Amino acid sequence: RKEVEQDPGPFNVPEGATVAFNCTYSNSASQSFFWYRQDCRKEPKLLMSVYSSGNEDGRFTAQLNRASQYISLLIRDSKLSDSATYLCVVNFGSGGYQKVTFGTGTKLQVIP
Amino acid sequence: DTAVSQTPKYLVTQMGNDKSIKCEQNLGHDTMYWYKQDSKKFLKIMFSYNNKELIINETVPNRFSPKSPDKAHLNLHINSLELGDSAVYFCASSQEGRRNGYTFGSGTRLTVV
Repeated sequence: RKEVEQDPGPFNVPEGATVAFNCTYSNSASQSFFWYRQDCRKEPKLLMSVYSSGNEDGRFTAQLNRASQYISLLIRDSKLSDSATYLCVVNFGSGGYQKVTFGTGTKLQVIP
Repeated sequence: DTAVSQTPKYLVTQMGNDKSIKCEQNLGHDTMYWYKQDSKKFLKIMFSYNNKELIINETVPNRFSPKSPDKAHLNLHINSLELGDSAVYFCASSQEGRRNGYTFGSGTRLTVV
């Protein structure tokens, strides 16, 4: 099983739709989780951290399910500008040592 | 002010050459990283430095040597470049204990011909 796994997509959705991505991870001791967004030929940028209780930022909702070892990202009312690749990030370790693993990304295309 | 800056942005060079990529962060973070993103867009960590000490050294050819003169800088030197080294190299930084994730530089697109 890969350390971090995502459906590569692409997810083609109409404007205004709700879309959800999942990301599974294999290390049950993983400690922190993030969703990043990467536009074509650009660097990844932090979209949101994922907290144990779930968290929301505007149209974006992130959830963590430790029992099943996955995190999710829900985007409501999709905009054309949401088109990008969404990367799941899982962090294991603390102090000076942190093992950071990126998923391969899920591509989202929002169509008019 | 750019938080994580890396230079050059583009680098085209011939096989066998030696090249360096520089990275600087002005965020006061204590950990810096080098990532490689290949043509399949897979982002893989290469090295991690915490307060100038090498913490993570993934399976990377020893032609790649990171150097951290201080905790705000992490440079990457590559010897004897090969065609397979062509990729985008991202520098990133983070601060232990904060949940702000990782801040990336804009990347260096390396093409070996």
